[in-house]
Amino acid sequence: GQQVMQIPQYQHVQEGEDFTTYCNSSTTLSNIQWYKQRPGGHPVFLIQLVKSGEVKKQKRLTFQFGEAKKNSSLHITATQTTDVGTYFCAGRDSGYSTLTFGKGTMLLVSP
Amino acid sequence: DAGITQSPRYKITETGRQVTLMCHQTWSHSYMFWYRQDLGHGLRLIYYSAAADITDKGEVPDGYVVSRSKTENFPLTLESATRSQTSVYFCASRTTGEGSPLHFGNGTRLTVT
Repeated sequence: GQQVMQIPQYQHVQEGEDFTTYCNSSTTLSNIQWYKQRPGGHPVFLIQLVKSGEVKKQKRLTFQFGEAKKNSSLHITATQTTDVGTYFCAGRDSGYSTLTFGKGTMLLVSP
Repeated sequence: DAGITQSPRYKITETGRQVTLMCHQTWSHSYMFWYRQDLGHGLRLIYYSAAADITDKGEVPDGYVVSRSKTENFPLTLESATRSQTSVYFCASRTTGEGSPLHFGNGTRLTVT
């Protein structure tokens, strides 16, 4: 079955440093979604990428979808303490109704 | 999101007991999902439903039963709870569009003693 690997599992940065999490799928994806979960909270949808090589930005967050549609990344520029949480990627194979989630990257930001 | 609610928020039960986790959404979303979240495993799909009276297994369905007699409700039942089912359970819903995002409930923290 489809597998989605996400690295790193955990990252601790100083406020102002950049952060990147990477997601790799064992199969070609039709789309990939990113979610953020604050400590004690529930996952919240951030964005969806559909096209090969697509790049989308949300303020300090940059999302990329690989040319082969098998990998993706989320980059945060100049982290803030409000960025703390776990970031999940979730990929969907063509023809399937469900998403497969990566295990997530927990981000801790120290002031 | 206020449109999808889970109950209870916390539950402690004993091994062997039956327990039902409730999920209710007010958006009339066609799809509903149950995930469990465990440290080191991320979010794993238990069961999902594409519409009322249509359910299908996810990645980890063993030990769980679901039903969907009404579009807005999707209860998850542990027929005979085991300690390995101690977890945080999230219900989610989405519209029929394949790219539509998941909307999660606040979760139920279940402890099986």
